Amino acid sequence: SAVISQKPSRDICQRGTSLTIQCQVDSQVTMMFWYRQQPGQSLTLIATANQGSEATYESGFVIDKFPISRPNLTFSTLTVSNMSPEDSSIYLCSGTAGLTRNTEAFFGQGTRLTVV
Amino acid sequence: GQNIDQPTEMTATEGAIVQINCTYQTSGFNGLFWYQQHAGEAPTFLSYNVLDGLEEKGRFSSFLSRSKGYSYLLLKELQMKDSASYLCAVRSDYKLSFGAGTTVTVRA
Repeated sequence: SAVISQKPSRDICQRGTSLTIQCQVDSQVTMMFWYRQQPGQSLTLIATANQGSEATYESGFVIDKFPISRPNLTFSTLTVSNMSPEDSSIYLCSGTAGLTRNTEAFFGQGTRLTVV
Repeated sequence: GQNIDQPTEMTATEGAIVQINCTYQTSGFNGLFWYQQHAGEAPTFLSYNVLDGLEEKGRFSSFLSRSKGYSYLLLKELQMKDSASYLCAVRSDYKLSFGAGTTVTVRA
């Protein structure tokens, strides 16, 4: 499967600031997704990153808080805006290389964000 | 909505077998995936089921019953390196919904 390089791997940020997380895939992928994983909890889908158009957000997530870009088929960014301590979590990007049913999703290494 | 349940923790002895159950109620179904996640690392793909029955892959096997909304992951000949979290995920409309994960601890 493809490899996703995600950075930063971790960061400690002041409340009220913003952090942009980047994911670079080593080959073209059909779909890219952004997840949040809080300690001891499941991965929660934030949004589907669409190439060349606005991301599709899940219930409870909005573009103003989590703007996403995907300028091409191998790169995407997620910004966590106006951060508060409740945004402390692990953020993961994911991609799938095809649209067939058995195409598995693969993940970046994750960004561990702590907001103080 | 999506509801995916799996046990929180399991402990087993090296060389033994462990079965992790997953039950799901989802609004769509395009397959069920199992992922392994070591602490501080990304999830890695283990197995995929879309038809009823057992899929075997070396020491790992996964079973699916769509009518019962049930799957299990079977880990055989447990090794210390198998200590990790195991995530059950259901795909619908190309999106994955995850269970909370089962932390498996393998003891010597």
